[in-house]
Amino acid sequence: DIQMTQSPSTLSASVGDTVSLTCRASQSIGNWLAWYQQKPGKAPKLLIFEASTLQGRVPSRFSGSGSGTEFTLTITSLQPDDFAIYYCQQCYSTKWTFGQGTKVEI
Amino acid sequence: EVQLVESGGGLVQPGKSLRLSCVASGFSLISYRMNWVRQAPGKGLEWVASISDSGHTIYYADSVEGRFTISRDNAESSVYLLVSSLRDDDTALYYCARDTLRGGALDFWGQGTLVTVSS
Repeated sequence: DIQMTQSPSTLSASVGDTVSLTCRASQSIGNWLAWYQQKPGKAPKLLIFEASTLQGRVPSRFSGSGSGTEFTLTITSLQPDDFAIYYCQQCYSTKWTFGQGTKVEI
Repeated sequence: EVQLVESGGGLVQPGKSLRLSCVASGFSLISYRMNWVRQAPGKGLEWVASISDSGHTIYYADSVEGRFTISRDNAESSVYLLVSSLRDDDTALYYCARDTLRGGALDFWGQGTLVTVSS
């Protein structure tokens, strides 16, 4: 199975900061990567698919980049609503896998 | 409005079975691949299974293969997950999630149904 590793596990930031979250795959997955945001007690929300395509109605302060084995989710000018856990997910293989998550906290 | 509503969870003893259901509305289920994803209490997300739009192509995570069975009834706008030979580590919130039309990401999720395995 393809393993997905996210770093850091926790990121402390302030409103207005620009933050970058990293996701690494154990083998090349092309651009078959998605990013999700999850808040406590809620289902995950799709932010980005195919590594860099913004899902509809997702604010443009979210952006994704990368290909192959290394990917980045960047949040520009962090807003109070952005404090959450972020997961990456590969859909290159038939058995999808998620990273363990990065918690963005104040 | 797209909606996915899961049901069927509950408290179950180890070794027993449950059938989870997901009713879809607001879109044509027959056009979409569907998935189940679970989340153990306080833990991350784990993809469990997927089923193609026709139901002919099915994949499972290694952790559940041979114990869980995904199925669908497009006429009833429903997707199912039969969870069998349950173990303590199957305790989780089980989400039903829709694949995008292009494939490769989950664009709509239900609110989940909780399965608790305990004697």
